Amino acid sequence: AQSVTQPDIHITVSEGASLELRCNYSYGATPYLFWYVQSPGQGLQLLLKYFSGDTLVQGIKGFEAEFKRSQSSFNLRKPSVHWSDAAEYFCAVGVGSGNTPLVFGKGTRLSVIA
Amino acid sequence: EAQVTQNPRYLITVTGKKLTVTCSQNMNHEYMSWYRQDPGLGLRQIYYSMNVEVTDKGDVPEGYKVSRKEKRNFPLILESPSPNQTSLYFCATQFGRGTSPLHFGNGTRLTVT
Repeated sequence: AQSVTQPDIHITVSEGASLELRCNYSYGATPYLFWYVQSPGQGLQLLLKYFSGDTLVQGIKGFEAEFKRSQSSFNLRKPSVHWSDAAEYFCAVGVGSGNTPLVFGKGTRLSVIA
Repeated sequence: EAQVTQNPRYLITVTGKKLTVTCSQNMNHEYMSWYRQDPGLGLRQIYYSMNVEVTDKGDVPEGYKVSRKEKRNFPLILESPSPNQTSLYFCATQFGRGTSPLHFGNGTRLTVT
């Protein structure tokens, strides 16, 4: 079965600084990978997804993520963080067939300071 | 506008009093599911439904029931709520499986005293 690890529970960055949120997955084949963001009081919103092809994917709100098969990673990046990016971020992996649901990581909470 | 609508947003109840959290979608998605979100545990799937009258257990189904009598609705039923079901609940829909992203409702915060 697939699994997802987000090693960082909480990260604090200064506004304008760069950001990288880590995600590692475990799955035998090429997975389908997602990043979601959850703002306070809201549901989860899809930031970006990777299925195949170019390993660097662009998402909404200026986010990007890079799939690295050799490291089983799908890290989320943003070059310059805005205060409105403070939220919880979830990485998820799907296997694309059958009845297997998406598996979510436990999330990384991002705080942004002035 | 594509929407997943959950009601209520907030609910406080007492142990043993049956309750239903509703979920409705207007995207004609076949797949619907319920998750609970708890601090330090992330999102865990409770039940899912592949289509009308087709439901199956997720990772944490104990204490919950669901029904899917029509495509757009997927209510979550707690027949006898207990304090350990205090949580934030999300309904989600998906077009197809695996490669399609989930669309989430805004959540229902349930407190059972």
